[in-house]
Amino acid sequence: AQSVTQLGSHVSVSEGALVLLRCNYSSSVPPYLFWYVQYPNQGLQLLLKYTSAATLVKGINGFEAEFKKSETSFHLTKPSAHMSDAAEYFCAVSALYSSASKIIFGSGTRLSIRP
Amino acid sequence: DGGITQSPKYLFRKEGQNVTLSCEQNLNHDAMYWYRQDPGQGLRLIYYSQIVNDFQKGDIAEGYSVSREKKESFPLTVTSAQKNPTAFYLCASSSGGGRTYEQYFGPGTRLTVT
Repeated sequence: AQSVTQLGSHVSVSEGALVLLRCNYSSSVPPYLFWYVQYPNQGLQLLLKYTSAATLVKGINGFEAEFKKSETSFHLTKPSAHMSDAAEYFCAVSALYSSASKIIFGSGTRLSIRP
Repeated sequence: DGGITQSPKYLFRKEGQNVTLSCEQNLNHDAMYWYRQDPGQGLRLIYYSQIVNDFQKGDIAEGYSVSREKKESFPLTVTSAQKNPTAFYLCASSSGGGRTYEQYFGPGTRLTVT
């Protein structure tokens, strides 16, 4: 079975500071991993995905994430936070060789940006 | 533009009434999903369908029903049996086909039942 744990339900950083959102996964098979962003009252938008190619994945809006198998982690980072980054972020995992196309989502981390 | 549409954006119903939420996609995706989102919580899977005329229960299917008569449409009915129907409902789709691809989401429908 697959699962994800997002550490910290709320993270607050100053504008211009480093953003680090933590995600650890559990998977019995090589995983696909995703980060999604959700703005208030909107659907989820895919930020980036890891599908067993490069371990450092670059996404939209300047975000990137690094897959670390030894640490079972897939943390999301951005060098310099912008006010527009304030949103809810979800880490998700799916099975690479699953006959059922399901994705398991973490409980989310709300990112706040201080002026 | 390809995408997923959900209508309406906001829906209000009286307790005891069934209500159907619409989800349409023009991405030619095989798989479609319904999720429920409550404040401060993640997404919980209600139902999913990997192919037309076939669907499976997710983690919280009780009180909900779906149909998949067309590839592009996957409506969700919230029945009067659902004890706490007030929530934000999200529809998603993916390429499916035996591999596990990313899901694309619609804008959501916020249902309020009083």
